[in-house]
Amino acid sequence: GQQVMQIPQYQHVQEGEDFTTYCNSSTTLSNIQWYKQRPGGHPVFLIQLVKSGEVKKQKRLTFQFGEAKKNSSLHITATQTTDVGTYFCAELRGGNTPLVFGKGTRLSVIA
Amino acid sequence: ETGVTQTPRHLVMGMTNKKSLKCEQHLGHNAMYWYKQSAKKPLELMFVYSLEERVENNSVPSRFSPECPNSSHLFLHLHTLQPEDSALYLCASSQGQIHNSPLHFGNGTRLTVT
Repeated sequence: GQQVMQIPQYQHVQEGEDFTTYCNSSTTLSNIQWYKQRPGGHPVFLIQLVKSGEVKKQKRLTFQFGEAKKNSSLHITATQTTDVGTYFCAELRGGNTPLVFGKGTRLSVIA
Repeated sequence: ETGVTQTPRHLVMGMTNKKSLKCEQHLGHNAMYWYKQSAKKPLELMFVYSLEERVENNSVPSRFSPECPNSSHLFLHLHTLQPEDSALYLCASSQGQIHNSPLHFGNGTRLTVT
């Protein structure tokens, strides 16, 4: 079936370091959504990107949608222990097809 | 966030048992979903209901049977499950065009099949 390439699978950072996770698609996307799941928790919606080249910020989080609408990134500046969790991208390819989730990037932050 | 409530939180069942998972959303949304989350696998969509009508069945085995009696409630009836069905089952809801709106997930039911 359809797969979403999300890298890296794991990332360990020292508190205060930056972190980036990437999603790549072979097809042009209608939009992309990002979710965060804390350990033992459930996915929580963070943001949706729709426009080509769109950049959105939420405090220390920066989300970007590629110009060709085939890739996206989530960047966290100066990570904190509260950023720990798994970050998922979910791609919408249009035509009433369902969201396709990536496997996620699990972020660990060492204090 | 308590907009989507799932019960039970944990469930252990034998392969011959019959059980049901319950989901209730208090957000006034018009679509509800069942997802399966297994270790080392992406979230897998199982079923979608829009305005209480099933609009998607993602090749799920018949031992999983969904029910949506109204727009606020969703059930997943389980019978003769297999050990590989052990996973976290997540309910979600959304408002607006399905597949194009943010999903609000419940806390999930951690299912273990023995």
